[in-house]
Amino acid sequence: AQKVTQAQTEISVVEKEDVTLDCVYETRDTTYYLFWYKQPPSGELVFLIRRNSFDEQNEISGRYSWNFQKSTSSFNFTITASQVVDSAVYFCALSGAPEVIFGPGTSLSVIP
Amino acid sequence: DAGVIQSPRHEVTEMGQEVTLRCKPISGHNSLFWYRQTMMRGLELLIYFNNNVPIDDSGMPEDRFSAKMPNASFSTLKIQPSEPRDSAVYFCASSFGHETNYGYTFGSGTRLTVV
Repeated sequence: AQKVTQAQTEISVVEKEDVTLDCVYETRDTTYYLFWYKQPPSGELVFLIRRNSFDEQNEISGRYSWNFQKSTSSFNFTITASQVVDSAVYFCALSGAPEVIFGPGTSLSVIP
Repeated sequence: DAGVIQSPRHEVTEMGQEVTLRCKPISGHNSLFWYRQTMMRGLELLIYFNNNVPIDDSGMPEDRFSAKMPNASFSTLKIQPSEPRDSAVYFCASSFGHETNYGYTFGSGTRLTVV
């Protein structure tokens, strides 16, 4: 069975702190894709990143970075020097058949 | 690119009424997905179309829900009759190709409240 677990339901940090959002997935597929989406208070779902299961290189995009470790089935997301605008619910997701399977989300609050 | 367009953004209706949610996918995308988001159940897939054909509707909760995609640029999700437990945010998403490997582009969602 395919499953995405985000053990952290809610996280609060003070602005400028670094924060890591955890994601653990289960799949029997040998080839798969992982995603992160952001849902700000306005409600829309914003695509952040896609990762191929064959590519374990870490990725950095500005203050965002992602750590993919196939050995532990984890795809963690780190925000460096967090800002109030980062406050949102973040979803980790896994490519399934046919749909993308979403984790339950982690609600991040960045306090000024 | 206008993105995935959903209408209405908000809908408030009385129990028993028919509700129709609309979605226009991104031009060129040939897969369309309807998701429902609730606090209790998170994001759950309702139905998936590929090339306008329903492929998997196992997530549709019951016969009160129906979805159509008459052409590549339009889809509807209908609830008849609506019930308070249908209150949720309904998202439409589209992607290119049958596989979901490129992720989705989501619409802004329709927040449905059934009173």
